[in-house]
Amino acid sequence: QKEVEQNSGPLSVPEGAIASLNCTYSDRGSQSFFWYRQYSGKSPELIMFIYSNGDKEDGRFTAQLNKASQYVSLLIRDSQPSDSATYLCAVVSGGSYIPTFGRGTSLIVHP
Amino acid sequence: DTGVSQNPRHKITKRGQNVTFRCDPISEHNRLYWYRQTLGQGPEFLTYFQNEAQLEKSRLLSDRFSAERPKGSFSTLEIQRTEQGDSAMYLCADHALATSYNEQFFGPGTRLTVL
Repeated sequence: QKEVEQNSGPLSVPEGAIASLNCTYSDRGSQSFFWYRQYSGKSPELIMFIYSNGDKEDGRFTAQLNKASQYVSLLIRDSQPSDSATYLCAVVSGGSYIPTFGRGTSLIVHP
Repeated sequence: DTGVSQNPRHKITKRGQNVTFRCDPISEHNRLYWYRQTLGQGPEFLTYFQNEAQLEKSRLLSDRFSAERPKGSFSTLEIQRTEQGDSAMYLCADHALATSYNEQFFGPGTRLTVL
């Protein structure tokens, strides 16, 4: 069974700090990796996706992928209280169109 | 509003009743997915359509669950003989075939409460 693991948290960081969120996955055939943000009571919102090893940056967000070690991470620079949410990692295996989601990591950014 | 829409947003029902939820995707998006999400968990895949074809339904939670997308546009998810364990958020998401990496866009969800 394909598994995606995330620490449920909460991860608490001060405003302005870097928040680092991690995700590991079990299927070596995984090819696409996604980070979604979900505010309490709302639906997930896509932040970033990555498909090749290395880093991908978009504004304050950086996704990092290491396929050999089977982990993907999300860095949030200059964290703001508005970044407080649950961050979901999702993984899609090659040849599939079905994402497997982790349970999410709760992030709290305190002023 | 050009995003994915879902109706109703909230549904309260009594155990044993049937419920039906509707999802209207972004018009040019071909794939439509249904998920269930319970508190503290990530979305759990249920089924998906490519246009009107239901390509995966083995992960629907039981034979009480069914989904349709008759004309390749909107979709419905029906739960028959609801049970208290069906209480959850039901999410619809879509995806455009023209994009390569299966990024999905979620609707606001339907929150089901079974009494």
